[in-house]
Formats: sequence, C-alpha cells, structure tokens
Amino acid sequence: DAGVIQSPRHEVTEMGQEVTLRCKPISGHDYLFWYRQTMMRGLELLIYFNNNVPIDDSGMPEDRFSAKMPNASFSTLKIQPSEPRDSAVYFCASSRGAGHTQYFGPGTRLTVL
Amino acid sequence: SQQGEEDPQALSIQEGENATMNCSYKTSINNLQWYRQNSGRGLVHLILIRSNEREKHSGRLRVTLDTSKKSSSLLITASRAADTASYFCATDENAGNMLTFGGGTRLMVKP
Repeated sequence: DAGVIQSPRHEVTEMGQEVTLRCKPISGHDYLFWYRQTMMRGLELLIYFNNNVPIDDSGMPEDRFSAKMPNASFSTLKIQPSEPRDSAVYFCASSRGAGHTQYFGPGTRLTVL
Repeated sequence: SQQGEEDPQALSIQEGENATMNCSYKTSINNLQWYRQNSGRGLVHLILIRSNEREKHSGRLRVTLDTSKKSSSLLITASRAADTASYFCATDENAGNMLTFGGGTRLMVKP
C-alpha cells in the first residue's frame, strides 16, 4: 500500500492567495483527518470525515478554511485568503474505524509570505 | 492543560541508555496510543494499549497504562541514535471517534 499521499509537499505563497492542499487516504479507510502542526500550538485537529461526511469541524480556525471530501479517495483543505499565521505543516491522516490507529501522510509545509 | 500531556518535554540521553516518557490524560478512554515523529516527517504509529491492558511490549518498546492515575509511560530500552525523534501519546478521549495528541517529548540520543 502506498500509504497516505499528500500534495504538494511544500507550498510557498503570498498573503491573500488561495491555497489548496490535497490528500489521498489509504484505500479502505473510512476516517480521514486534517491536522495542523506548529511549534507554538503543537498538533491540532482541524476537521475529520467519516465515510466522506464531515463530522467535526470545530478545530477549523475560521471561515477562511474549508475542507471537502468528494469521494472516498480524495480530500482537499482550502485556505482562502491565506495569511502569514497560516504557515504550518498540514497533515492528513486516515484510519479504519473510530479511535483506531491513524496513518499519517508526509505533510505539506505551507509558508505564507 | 490538554488531554495527553507528555513529560518531560525534552530528554537527552546517551546511546545504550533507557528512555522513559510519561503521558497523563483527563477523561475516560478506550485506548491510548504512542506515535513517533522524525524531523520533517509525519507521525508513525508505534503501539496501542487498550484500557483493560496494563502493559504491552513491542521490540525495545514497553508501554504501561494506569487508568486509575490516568497515566501511561513509554520505555525505550537500549536506545540508539536512530531513536532520536519526538514521541506523542494520543487518546480517544471519552471513547470518541478522534484522537487527541499531547505536545510530545523530544528525545535526543547521543552516539
């Protein structure tokens, strides 16, 4: 299995631009999670999906953030407009079942100038 | 403080020594997991211990769980330089669907 795939691995953009991060979960996993990691705040859960349906988005910082999962093999996290404080590493993870082992992607390192 | 707090925040040891990291949590759980993160990489699952288990082993890893104290420990025996990484505990607080991660322990093993 290829594991969780994320793209791009690195993204540098200017403030105000739209950023789209992509994730392909492991086939057969029914849960998908988006996390953000910074030195100051550690690892934060932004949103998670079960069977493509968003279950809890209480971690999404503000309306500038949105996430979709149009099918079982693809999810996006969009930031529009981006701000310098959004700079972080964004991880996608998937699992088979609730509360089970999560498999993380390599992350997308986002820098907003 | 948040669910799943690790202690210490940083640990530096010599190769061959044992490393012990602790995790405390606040709510009831179904299981507690430990993950490892190498610099610049995603988290990798190490071991899962269920709430009805007290101790679990995997290679050089030993995990204990004390539900009465709401705490867990991760012991790495005979450490190697390659064990240098951050280690996180994660709990399914209130036996929920998601995991809550602690702040992690940064372990440095000097050759």
